[in-house]
Amino acid sequence: AQTVTQSQPEMSVQEAETVTLSCTYDTSESDYYLFWYKQPPSRQMILVIRQEAYKQQNATENRFSVNFQKAAKSFSLKISDSQLGDAAMYFCAYRGSGGGADGLTFGKGTHLIIQP
Amino acid sequence: NAGVTQTPKFRVLKTGQSMTLLCAQDMNHEYMYWYRQDPGMGLRLIHYSVGEGTTAKGEVPDGYNVSRLKKQNFLLGLESAAPSQTSVYFCATLGPTSGEQFFGPGTRLTVL
Repeated sequence: AQTVTQSQPEMSVQEAETVTLSCTYDTSESDYYLFWYKQPPSRQMILVIRQEAYKQQNATENRFSVNFQKAAKSFSLKISDSQLGDAAMYFCAYRGSGGGADGLTFGKGTHLIIQP
Repeated sequence: NAGVTQTPKFRVLKTGQSMTLLCAQDMNHEYMYWYRQDPGMGLRLIHYSVGEGTTAKGEVPDGYNVSRLKKQNFLLGLESAAPSQTSVYFCATLGPTSGEQFFGPGTRLTVL
């Protein structure tokens, strides 16, 4: 079974600074998807960024980018120019290539605090 | 276009009571999922459906049943609620091309 590990239960960053959230995963598959989801206090799950394993180029979405290291099974999220609205729980998630039969496997999350 | 909706948003049950959570989607997605989220944990897959009339077990299926009689609805049932089922429950669908899952707003269930 796949596992996803987020080793940082909580991170704190000053507003406008850059922060990196770590994620490692374990899988025997070669083709899969990786995601970062944001969960604010409203508890709504919001997709931040996604990465297909077959793509070597790291995904970026505005201030959010990933460092995808396939061989190391590492998938970190970098948030640039942190804003107060970025404060939330962040979950790393994995989905295999088994079509829709693969649900997401989540890490335990990182609580991100933005200091004004 | 409401996306994924869940009913109810909050519920309190006594041990042994039964209830059904409703998930509805208007995106015509084939795949639907039920997850639970416990404190300090990420979401864990309970059951899923790959299409109307089909269901399958996920990681933590015990104590739950599901049905997908209509493509747009996915029901999660608790026949005899236990305190261990106190959790936040999320429904999700799978987009057809992006691999992204779209989540409902969640249901907070407390079993006393």
